Amino acid sequence: EPEVTQTPSHQVTQMGQEVILRCVPISNHLYFYWYRQILGQKVEFLVSFYNNEISEKSEIFDDQFSVERPDGSNFTLKIRSTKLEDSAMYFCASSGSARVSYNEQFFGPGTRLTVL
Amino acid sequence: GQQLNQSPQSMFIQEGEDVSMNCTSSSIFNTWLWYKQDPGEGPVLLIALYKAGELTSNGRLTAQFGITRKDSFLNISASIPSDVGIYFCAGRGNYGGSQGNLIFGKGTKLSVKP
Repeated sequence: EPEVTQTPSHQVTQMGQEVILRCVPISNHLYFYWYRQILGQKVEFLVSFYNNEISEKSEIFDDQFSVERPDGSNFTLKIRSTKLEDSAMYFCASSGSARVSYNEQFFGPGTRLTVL
Repeated sequence: GQQLNQSPQSMFIQEGEDVSMNCTSSSIFNTWLWYKQDPGEGPVLLIALYKAGELTSNGRLTAQFGITRKDSFLNISASIPSDVGIYFCAGRGNYGGSQGNLIFGKGTKLSVKP
């Protein structure tokens, strides 16, 4: 069964450093998302991406964040200058194009980001 | 912004018991989704609901989309140890220019005693 994959599973970085989190969405999906989950808290929406552009972003997704689909399979989240409060699990999700599959978002296993 | 109130926060039950949890919102949603998350993993989609009043089953799981479109519940019948995890409701709107990102509840942590 197709699934969303993410790399790395765990990233440790120093405050102020740039990180890039990578995702490979399900191959025939057209909508891509990033969410984050601070330890012990709920999942929070960051950004959605469709047709090679951001379609929606939350207030969390400030100028330090950017997303890119550099080729036909990868979808990346870049944090330009990490802060301690960026430490969280970051989940990539994707959904399809037909009405039903558009609503059903499938999540990857996550990247745990630790900022020291 | 929109918020989902999910209850209970946690449940500790005996194997074989039925479980019920729910989500409520002050806003209406067009879609309700229920996910399960195991420790250190991503949320796994269990059930998706699209119409007010809809009742959908997936094995021992049953979920309903409330008539008012502001609530949903999830039932698990005859719980087993592998049901342990955190269950999240998520609502999806599609109004005010929103493309329909998911808004998650805070989760219900389920523990099952063999």
